[in-house]
Amino acid sequence: GQSLEQPSEVTAVEGAIVQINCTYQTSGFYGLSWYQQHDGGAPTFLSYNALDGLEETGRFSSFLSRSDSYGYLLLQELQMKDSASYFCAVRGNTGKLIFGQGTTLQVKP
Amino acid sequence: EAQVTQNPRYLITVTGKKLTVTCSQNMNHEYMSWYRQDPGLGLRQIYYSMNVEVTDKGDVPEGYKVSRKEKRNFPLILESPSPNQTSLYFCASSLDRGTLYEQYFGPGTRLTVT
Repeated sequence: GQSLEQPSEVTAVEGAIVQINCTYQTSGFYGLSWYQQHDGGAPTFLSYNALDGLEETGRFSSFLSRSDSYGYLLLQELQMKDSASYFCAVRGNTGKLIFGQGTTLQVKP
Repeated sequence: EAQVTQNPRYLITVTGKKLTVTCSQNMNHEYMSWYRQDPGLGLRQIYYSMNVEVTDKGDVPEGYKVSRKEKRNFPLILESPSPNQTSLYFCASSLDRGTLYEQYFGPGTRLTVT
């Protein structure tokens, strides 16, 4: 089967850096995606890692270690608008994208 | 504007009354999918389609049907809705199976079954 684990909640202050971890177990692995979802809204794609290492997109970076079945999303220079839920998702050897349960990030002033 | 649209956005219905939630995308995407989102459970895939006339079960297909007669449309059908299908539903699409890691989501349909 496939499963993903990520923390349920994270709190940080404006301007800080926060890391949201994701560990996964899958039968077959192609890559790890990250999505952002503001309260009740549509999830939006943030990043994808197919290979080991760090991918940077502006204030957001995503990291993958295939040998450790582990990845993380790094958010720098936090802003109030970054308060949202963040989901990691794994593409395995099926036609499915399996999502984690999500991490709610609260950014405080 | 490239988008995924869903209708209706909100629906309150009664147990057993058949309903259809429509989903349409204007990006010529091959891959389409339906998810349900419940508190604490993340997004769970109901059905997906890799192309016209090709559909397959996701992780929670019981009680749902889909069809893919045209590339742009992927309706979700609840033949006999029950209260445990009360949820927030999202339709999503991606260019093809190879890029399903990057899906574009519709705005969601909030369904309540009483």
